[in-house]
Amino acid sequence: RKEVEQDPGPFNVPEGATVAFNCTYSNSASQSFFWYRQDCRKEPKLLMSVYSSGNEDGRFTAQLNRASQYISLLIRDSKLSDSATYLCVVNIAGGYNKLIFGAGTRLAVHP
Amino acid sequence: ETGVTQTPRHLVMGMTNKKSLKCEQHLGHNAMYWYKQSAKKPLELMFVYSLEERVENNSVPSRFSPECPNSSHLFLHLHTLQPEDSALYLCASSQEGNSGEAFFGQGTRLTVV
Repeated sequence: RKEVEQDPGPFNVPEGATVAFNCTYSNSASQSFFWYRQDCRKEPKLLMSVYSSGNEDGRFTAQLNRASQYISLLIRDSKLSDSATYLCVVNIAGGYNKLIFGAGTRLAVHP
Repeated sequence: ETGVTQTPRHLVMGMTNKKSLKCEQHLGHNAMYWYKQSAKKPLELMFVYSLEERVENNSVPSRFSPECPNSSHLFLHLHTLQPEDSALYLCASSQEGNSGEAFFGQGTRLTVV
C-alpha cells in the first residue's frame, strides 16, 4: 500500500466550478499535513497546511480526519490559474521532519 | 533572491562522468533533503540531513553520494549513473521543531546519456 494515495485525475473543470481532491495516508503516526501545488516543470510550492479543525485560505479549504487518515482539498470558483498538480503531503516526524508525497492530482481548468 | 537555490538547472552527463549538484538555502533552516522526481512518479525521498548529520538514506544506490558541509549547503555527487537516473532532482529545506513544511529549490533536470 502506498504511504500517501491520491486520485491521479486529471480533473477537467470549467472556470467557476468547485472541485474536491481526496487523499489517504497509511502511517497513523503522521504528525502534520500539507497540500502543495506543482506547476508543469516547476518545483512544488506550499499551498497550505492542513489542521484537524479544518482551515480555509480564500477559495481553498482543507480538511483532515485523523481517525480515517483522510485529507481533502476543496477549491471553489476555480480559475484558469489554478491549473496545476496538487500534491498531498504528510510529515512522518520521528526525531526529524520526513515529508512523504502523494503522486499528485492534476487539475485542468478551462474557459 | 529565492530561499533555496540549486545549480545547475540542467545537466547532461555521460554514464562515465562525475558531476555534482549543488543546493544552497538562505532561510536559516537546519534540515535539508534530496528528492528525485521521475516522469509520472511521485517525489521520492533520497536523503535527509538534520543538523548537518545524515539521518536517512532511502536505499539509494551508492552512485549517488550526498554531502552536507554546513547547514546552508547540500551537494549530491554523481558518478557512473545509468540512463534510468534521468530525472528532476529537487533540494528542499525545513526547520526542525516546526510543523515541517519544506521549501524547494527549482531543481536540476538531469539527463544521463
